[in-house]
Amino acid sequence: SQQGEEDPQALSIQEGENATMNCSYKTSINNLQWYRQNSGRGLVHLILIRSNEREKHSGRLRVTLDTSKKSSSLLITASRAADTASYFCATAYSGAGSYQLTFGKGTKLSVIP
Amino acid sequence: EAGVTQSPTHLIKTRGQQATLRCSPISGHTSVYWYQQALGLGLQFLLWYDEGEERNRGNFPPRFSGRQFPNYSSELNVNALELEDSALYLCASRTRTNQETQYFGPGTRLLVL
Repeated sequence: SQQGEEDPQALSIQEGENATMNCSYKTSINNLQWYRQNSGRGLVHLILIRSNEREKHSGRLRVTLDTSKKSSSLLITASRAADTASYFCATAYSGAGSYQLTFGKGTKLSVIP
Repeated sequence: EAGVTQSPTHLIKTRGQQATLRCSPISGHTSVYWYQQALGLGLQFLLWYDEGEERNRGNFPPRFSGRQFPNYSSELNVNALELEDSALYLCASRTRTNQETQYFGPGTRLLVL
C-alpha cells in the first residue's frame, strides 16, 4: 500500500506559532497533496506538489517533498485559531488509466488563541 | 459556482437495512469518487465513476455499490448494513481534463444502530 502516514497524530500550539506536519509514503507517486478538514466535514484542497518539485508555497503554507526519503512536510506559519482542523496528505498515483488518491489518517491541529 | 452537494446530511439506519446516499458533482465535472471515513481513520477509497461507468473500486465488499447517472450525479448504495458501516461518506468530483484535483462535498454521516 502506498498510503501516506501523517506525523504527529495530534498537535497543539499557541496562536502565532508555526505548525509542522509530516507525511511518509511507501511507493512512487505522481504528486502529493494536502487537504484540510474542519470538524468532520468535507475536505478542502490546500496544495499540490509534483514528484519533480521539492518545495512549494501558497500563502502561509509551505510544502516540501523528498522523494528519496518518500516524505513530505506541511508548514503553516503564523498559525491562527481558524487553522484548527485535521490535515491529510494524499498520495496520487496514475497508471493503467486509473488515477488514485490514497489518504493518510491525518494530523489533528489545535491552535490555542 | 456551486460546489459538490450530498444528501442527506445525516442518515440513521438499523442493522440489515439498506442506505442510499446521493452526490451531485460540480457542473462540468464528469468523475465522481466515493470515500468512507470511519471515526478516527483516514479516508478509504470506495468507488470511482467516470462517464457513467465504474472505473475502480476499493477494498470493500460487494454490498457497497453505486452508479452514475447521465447528468453525472451519483448514488452510493450500502446493502445489509452493519454497525461498522457507521461513518462519514464523502463524495468528490473532478473534471475530465484535470485529474489531479478532487473537490469534496460536505459528506453524509451514516449511523447504523
